[in-house]
Amino acid sequence: QITLKESGPTLVKPTQTLTLTCTFSGFSLSTSGVGVGWIRQPPGKALEWLALIYWDDDKRYSQSRLTITKDTSKNQVVLTMTNMDPVDTATYYCAHSPPGHLFHSWGQGTLVTVSS
Amino acid sequence: QSVLTQPPSASGTPGQRVTMSCSGSSSNIGSNTVNWYQQLPETAPKLLIYSNDQRPSGVPDRFSGSKSGTSASLAISGLQSEDEADYYCAAWDDRLNGYVFGTGTKVTVL
Repeated sequence: QITLKESGPTLVKPTQTLTLTCTFSGFSLSTSGVGVGWIRQPPGKALEWLALIYWDDDKRYSQSRLTITKDTSKNQVVLTMTNMDPVDTATYYCAHSPPGHLFHSWGQGTLVTVSS
Repeated sequence: QSVLTQPPSASGTPGQRVTMSCSGSSSNIGSNTVNWYQQLPETAPKLLIYSNDQRPSGVPDRFSGSKSGTSASLAISGLQSEDEADYYCAAWDDRLNGYVFGTGTKVTVL
């Protein structure tokens, strides 16, 4: 059974850097073709893909202020987002990506509010 | 700003068939497979359809997907009250070199 869980601050101030951790189980990020992605959803709005890291450390981003890293030994993926703004207020999800450009299993999400 | 366009809403009575569209371009739907996600109220999204028309284990066969050119469609046959949710299409975009989601369709069971 694959599970993922997001953790990090619930409140950040404008201009600060957000660091979120995704801790997962049930799969290995060293398996060929596997990836972990981050997706966010502002309140009442649509899903937005943010970043994706693959088993071979290949990385893809939707914005330049994002950084994604992995720690295979700890089964963790970390997302950092710099220069946070109130428009970045959203629920942030991490998700397992098997081969084929899809997100099969999702974490429960964590709500991050950006406010001074 | 989503690059995949969906109608904002769709509705039907129990037992009816409901369909929704997803319009993209040659760089996303036109050259990659489409996935659909279901998001029940206050819950995380769930993969509903992958590779255009494949259902993950546990997804009822009432849900079906199709793709033609730069558009895709999701159909729900025999609509049930528990199908009331938001539905998102998604695909890889070769031009953006990233994953794109649709604008989402809210399905209401009347």
